[in-house]
Amino acid sequence: KAGVTQTPRYLIKTRGQQVTLSCSPISGHRSVSWYQQTPGQGLQFLFEYFSETQRNKGNFPGRFSGRQFSNSRSEMNVSTLELGDSALYLCASSRTTDTNGYTFGSGTRLTVV
Amino acid sequence: DQQVKQNSPSLSVQEGRISILNCDYTNSMFDYFLWYKKYPAEGPTFLISISSIKDKNEDGRFTVFLNKSAKHLSLHIVPSQPGDSAVYFCAASGANSGYALNFGKGTSLLVTP
Repeated sequence: KAGVTQTPRYLIKTRGQQVTLSCSPISGHRSVSWYQQTPGQGLQFLFEYFSETQRNKGNFPGRFSGRQFSNSRSEMNVSTLELGDSALYLCASSRTTDTNGYTFGSGTRLTVV
Repeated sequence: DQQVKQNSPSLSVQEGRISILNCDYTNSMFDYFLWYKKYPAEGPTFLISISSIKDKNEDGRFTVFLNKSAKHLSLHIVPSQPGDSAVYFCAASGANSGYALNFGKGTSLLVTP
């Protein structure tokens, strides 16, 4: 079966711009979570969506937002980009909130210059 | 604040020997613990998990031990193989955090022939 697909794989943006990342979960998975990975902070939870509703949110500023569509695909948006937003952004999907069932995508590498 | 800590950034083990990766956590409300393996340019892959009602879970060459009183868990890989060389992340979750995964910063394991 197809895995979790994240697009684009790589992205370079300028400070102050905004960016939208996309995640297509495994077919049948209704929960989509987003994580940020940086060398200094490791993997940090951004937010989780289930059936188009944000169910959980991590400790990130309001510049980070997301949404989920009726087909379970999800997007995350970062506005007014800062250099510190450079990171690998990972999306994970699961059928429910069963953390045992999370499957991660390969991520989107965002570089802010 | 980092609620899950992996204090060894790297570990080198000879092929055939045992690899022991350690993880400590601070939040006593965590009740589910997972280990993920990550290769470069790929997302984390689920390896093994353990519920707080158990103290050991085994899956082939991989065993996870949980010591709740010490808030410590470890992953044992026996025997280690060169293909096990990767970054290993410990993660913990609990109902009080909406089952979001709290990750450690990872331990890079190198298994040498």
